[in-house]
Amino acid sequence: GESVGLHLPTLSVQEGDNSIINCAYSNSASDYFIWYKQESGKGPQFIIDIRSNMDKRQGQRVTVLLNKTVKHLSLQIAATQPGDSAVYFCAETPNDMRFGAGTRLTVKP
Amino acid sequence: ETGVTQSPTHLIKTRGQQVTLRCSSQSGHNTVSWYQQALGQGPQFIFQYYREEENGRGNFPPRFSGLQFPNYSSELNVNALELDDSALYLCASSLEYRGGVHTFGSGTRLTVV
Repeated sequence: GESVGLHLPTLSVQEGDNSIINCAYSNSASDYFIWYKQESGKGPQFIIDIRSNMDKRQGQRVTVLLNKTVKHLSLQIAATQPGDSAVYFCAETPNDMRFGAGTRLTVKP
Repeated sequence: ETGVTQSPTHLIKTRGQQVTLRCSSQSGHNTVSWYQQALGQGPQFIFQYYREEENGRGNFPPRFSGLQFPNYSSELNVNALELDDSALYLCASSLEYRGGVHTFGSGTRLTVV
């Protein structure tokens, strides 16, 4: 399949552990943020989003934290599973959507 | 509900040629965005179409152009191909033109030789 993110920052975790992926965004006017997951050979897939009037949002096994003061976003994945292995991107938007460089998550069984 | 489909999946072109990539939006979505993704990088915004008009553009030269049709499908055209145009081209559709969750296709891998 398609290989993406050959030279991206990498996070390696043990199956069952929690993962934290960080992202710094650039535009202080951005008011909507999304985390995407991209598996090999596929396009990015929506995980969770958050608007700037919130600082935390939880989904199923995932939590996004937003710190507007330092323009930082994080994605927490609870009980990481092998199927979580992928490249993760944060995206910000005041209008069109701009993506960060991505982080490759590898889950060891 | 169908997702976003892109064609072709892979394409090889010669430098200087022109290429057209196609995208069918997810049912009910009225906005289409195109991205270029080089190996090891995040998707880079090319442009967005809303109601058949270009609604925003990233830092790409005019030889990158597009169209959106009344059924919200879209085309990306690239003229005078350069070697650096080799990349994965992603199409995404969404319900609103101002941000909003994008549903992505699997992309077209373009190789320019």
